[in-house]
Amino acid sequence: NAGVTQTPKFQVLKTGQSMTLQCAQDMNHEYMSWYRQDPGMGLRLIHYSVGAGITDQGEVPNGYNVSRSTTEDFPLRLLSAAPSQTSVYFCASRRRGNYGYTFGSGTRLTVV
Amino acid sequence: GQQLNQSPQSMFIQEGEDVSMNCTSSSIFNTWLWYKQDPGEGPVLLIALYKAGELTSNGRLTAQFGITRKDSFLNISASIPSDVGIYFCAGPLIQGAQKLVFGQGTRLTINP
Repeated sequence: NAGVTQTPKFQVLKTGQSMTLQCAQDMNHEYMSWYRQDPGMGLRLIHYSVGAGITDQGEVPNGYNVSRSTTEDFPLRLLSAAPSQTSVYFCASRRRGNYGYTFGSGTRLTVV
Repeated sequence: GQQLNQSPQSMFIQEGEDVSMNCTSSSIFNTWLWYKQDPGEGPVLLIALYKAGELTSNGRLTAQFGITRKDSFLNISASIPSDVGIYFCAGPLIQGAQKLVFGQGTRLTINP
């Protein structure tokens, strides 16, 4: 099992550009989430999904869109990148009934 | 906003020393999770606690679920160099169990 796979690992965007951060898991987990990590802030929830076709907002959803067309994939879209979105982004998944999330290795995004 | 407060924010210890850190909240949690993050990687689950008063060990790590359900503690005995990293507490919000919130982390540095 590969676990949770995130691509790309690094990305530099110009302000106003859009892009999609990819996340895939091969563990058949029902729940998936996106977090961003900023220095001294811990991890903050952006969006989450409890199953294919179902998504909801987390703590910091503005500027991001998600969709969940399959159990395996949960892409995160930045609509119009801003410098405030410079961060490390983590995708995570878990099985229903088990609160222990499995995290990917992250995407480090810089918006200039 | 941030609902979990971790203390201390950073620790500098000698190899072989014991480590104690804690996590507190103004809200009640029914589950406490402790994660460790190595540089450049995503967090990895260390210990999960599901009942007030529960004491659980994982090798040299021991975690406790506070009786008030508003705090949790993590102890590391006889620290070794590979214990270096950032330790996060986390828990699912009762009103939205899919939403896992994280503390801001405790950074552990070990002098050999």
